[in-house]
Amino acid sequence: GENVEQHPSTLSVQEGDSAVIKCTYSDSASNYFPWYKQELGKRPQLIIDIRSNVGEKKDQRIAVTLNKTAKHFSLHITETQPEDSAVYFCAVLLPSGSRLTFGEGTQLTVNP
Amino acid sequence: GAVVSQHPSWVICKSGTSVKIECRSLDFQATTMFWYRQFPKQSLMLMATSNEGSKATYEQGVEKDKFLINHASLTLSTLTVTSAHPEDSSFYICSARDSLKHEQFFGPGTRLTVL
Repeated sequence: GENVEQHPSTLSVQEGDSAVIKCTYSDSASNYFPWYKQELGKRPQLIIDIRSNVGEKKDQRIAVTLNKTAKHFSLHITETQPEDSAVYFCAVLLPSGSRLTFGEGTQLTVNP
Repeated sequence: GAVVSQHPSWVICKSGTSVKIECRSLDFQATTMFWYRQFPKQSLMLMATSNEGSKATYEQGVEKDKFLINHASLTLSTLTVTSAHPEDSSFYICSARDSLKHEQFFGPGTRLTVL
């Protein structure tokens, strides 16, 4: 099955700095790559996603880049704010699969 | 994004009782719903995939007779934890995939505490 690795497991940045979280996957057939943000005790929320036919996607301060050759994709958050503090999960979907495979999560802390 | 509701949001029960959790997609049809369990500071652990009108597919190590799943309509799936024990205490989250898209949306979760 698909194997997803996410790094780092924890990330602490100063307000205003950028944060980057990276995920690698094993199956080159994977074609959908969402990122979720989960605040403590709440549901994971889809914040951005990218499909395999696109190399980069941006939504305000959040961007995702995909390198299909190297089989990795990254979440970029610019001008971080304290409210960005949360756990972020990457996920991968195979075209033949019915379920997402999640990374282990990254605890992001933005210090004021 | 699409809305998924889950009920109840929390429940406390005695050991040996059964607890039923409902998951609804409110503004889209979901032929596939997923049930996850999440322990503190850990990732989402998929328990089972629920397909409308057919039997659920359980992940390895998940007892199908203990975690009963029913997906009777395109907008409703239920998870029943039978004969709950303290080790079943966890955060249970459902998720629904829009039948027309890839996007998968999560319910708010149910905090189960078994005394």
